Amino acid sequence: DGGITQSPKYLFRKEGQNVTLSCEQNLNHDAMYWYRQDPGQGLRLIYYSQIVNDFQKGDIAEGYSVSREKKESFPLTVTSAQKNPTAFYLCASRRGLKETQYFGPGTRLLVL
Amino acid sequence: DQQVKQNSPSLSVQEGRISILNCDYTNSMFDYFLWYKKYPAEGPTFLISISSIKDKNEDGRFTVFLNKSAKHLSLHIVPSQPGDSAVYFCAASSQSGGGADGLTFGKGTHLIIQP
Repeated sequence: DGGITQSPKYLFRKEGQNVTLSCEQNLNHDAMYWYRQDPGQGLRLIYYSQIVNDFQKGDIAEGYSVSREKKESFPLTVTSAQKNPTAFYLCASRRGLKETQYFGPGTRLLVL
Repeated sequence: DQQVKQNSPSLSVQEGRISILNCDYTNSMFDYFLWYKKYPAEGPTFLISISSIKDKNEDGRFTVFLNKSAKHLSLHIVPSQPGDSAVYFCAASSQSGGGADGLTFGKGTHLIIQP
């Protein structure tokens, strides 16, 4: 059963703590993306990666970091430098640059 | 500066009628447009897309129209069904530029289908 999985569904972060959100896909897609959604807002691009070991900043990369060591995996770390981390985080992937992006189910991050 | 705008935060339509959701864009480099449907606490689901070389694309009850000169696109749902109640996002990208960047999204329109 192919798809994009994100874990955990809910994540709590304490002040000053780094947390990592997982995104895995078994669709053999080359490109992967991280978006953030705030209430009443559209999705905004954080980071994206077209190939393994390469990634680019999106519109709101400050306070976040990523890695792409495997084609299937694109974890996002929310660092303590991100002052407003509470949001719904969505991972997406697509096979080629001219293909449609498909999304995972999302992770909601809350600050304690 | 919002490059993709959905000016109606919500829209209420009677079941069986046509739902028309609108989207405007400002970036002339956009040449590929998509509509996604989203339920609360879930990821967006792809509905339909259109390339700038076309002005219409149809898939079942869903039709997207593109007016390049007006930088406007719309999604028509006919007939509207209760399961269509969700938030609809318009998104755009520049494929001629390689399509490497992610999508640019509007803020969404909450469609409510009334029985």
